[in-house]
Amino acid sequence: NAGVMQNPRHLVRRRGQEARLRCSPMKGHSHVYWYRQLPEEGLKFMVYLQKENIIDESGMPKERFSAEFPKEGPSILRIQQVVRGDSAAYFCASSPAGGADTQYFGPGTRLTVL
Amino acid sequence: RKEVEQDPGPFNVPEGATVAFNCTYSNSASQSFFWYRQDCRKEPKLLMSVYSSGNEDGRFTAQLNRASQYISLLIRDSKLSDSATYLCGMEYGNKLVFGAGTILRVKS
Repeated sequence: NAGVMQNPRHLVRRRGQEARLRCSPMKGHSHVYWYRQLPEEGLKFMVYLQKENIIDESGMPKERFSAEFPKEGPSILRIQQVVRGDSAAYFCASSPAGGADTQYFGPGTRLTVL
Repeated sequence: RKEVEQDPGPFNVPEGATVAFNCTYSNSASQSFFWYRQDCRKEPKLLMSVYSSGNEDGRFTAQLNRASQYISLLIRDSKLSDSATYLCGMEYGNKLVFGAGTILRVKS
């Protein structure tokens, strides 16, 4: 049973470009969470999605960031017009049901903005 | 005050030592608590859930103190392979809220 998959693992963008991060949850999981980890800091919650629905986006910046989890395909975290401060590790987690008890993390995408 | 606070360390201990970390939290409504281990540049991996009655898994023991609003992790007989960052996390609504992590370095 494959774990949570994220791609790309490393992404380099220049300021002003767009970054698209993908997350495929574990088989049978329909709940996806995105977290961001800045250097030397802990994980910060960004957004929680179920298939086709955003449940909680309280941790996501109001501008430039968006997330989706379509009926088919992976969840996408999209960052438009990236700035240097967006450089971080972005982790996706999935769970079979809502709640925090069984979240499993993917390997993360390391975004570097030049 | 941060929702979750941890001593960043680093804790430098010799092999075989016993080491303990605490993590305090401010939201008394949290129901679920966890310890995750994160190796350098890797994803967090669930180490253990934390229950009021305390739980033990081999060399690791976790405790929850609701009255004082903290959780603890005790590692006995430390191994070199225990070197990592230990994150405490707790459920808060739909999400996990994490501390910034405690760095453990076990040295031979």
